[in-house]
Amino acid sequence: NAGVTQTPKFRVLKTGQSMTLLCAQDMNHEYMYWYRQDPGMGLRLIHYSVGEGTTAKGEVPDGYNVSRLKKQNFLLGLESAAPSQTSVYFCASSSVLGQGGRNEQFFGPGTRLTVL
Amino acid sequence: GNSVTQMEGPVTLSEEAFLTINCTYTATGYPSLFWYVQYPGEGLQLLLKATKADDKGSNKGFEATYRKETTSFHLEKGSVQVSDSAVYFCALSDRFGAAGNKLTFGGGTRVLVKP
Repeated sequence: NAGVTQTPKFRVLKTGQSMTLLCAQDMNHEYMYWYRQDPGMGLRLIHYSVGEGTTAKGEVPDGYNVSRLKKQNFLLGLESAAPSQTSVYFCASSSVLGQGGRNEQFFGPGTRLTVL
Repeated sequence: GNSVTQMEGPVTLSEEAFLTINCTYTATGYPSLFWYVQYPGEGLQLLLKATKADDKGSNKGFEATYRKETTSFHLEKGSVQVSDSAVYFCALSDRFGAAGNKLTFGGGTRVLVKP
């Protein structure tokens, strides 16, 4: 099993450009998440999904959109990138609580995004 | 709402020293508690967890006990190694999964172990 994978690993954008980050998991997890990590602020939840075709806003959703068309994939889009979106982005997935009691999240390796 | 507070770093130690990272939380209900570790250039990995009061999570020589009375989940290791140098995150999640197992993270504590 590859676990959680993210594409790309690094990206540099100019202000106003758009891009999509792809997250894929092969663990048949129902739940998927997108976080951003900034120095001294831990991880903050951007959007999450509790199943195929569903998405919900997290703590810092502004400027981002997401889609979960397939259970194994969760896409994060930036329509018009801003320097404030320079960050490291992590995707994670987890099973539904109660399935063996395992509710921890499994993380991808991250995408380092710089917006100039 | 839920929140997690952990001690700020960096924490610099010599090899074989004792490590403690304090973590306290505020939550409604009965959360599960986690410690995640992030090694340089990598994503987060689950280090240990506890799902109810007085549970002790342990892994790789690290331990943490879920203390409901003090709302704490302090991480400890008796003898650190250089390979323990990483950033450690305390986190909690809604126990009943109504919010999709969302995690609330502390700010992270960077630990540097010198030979």
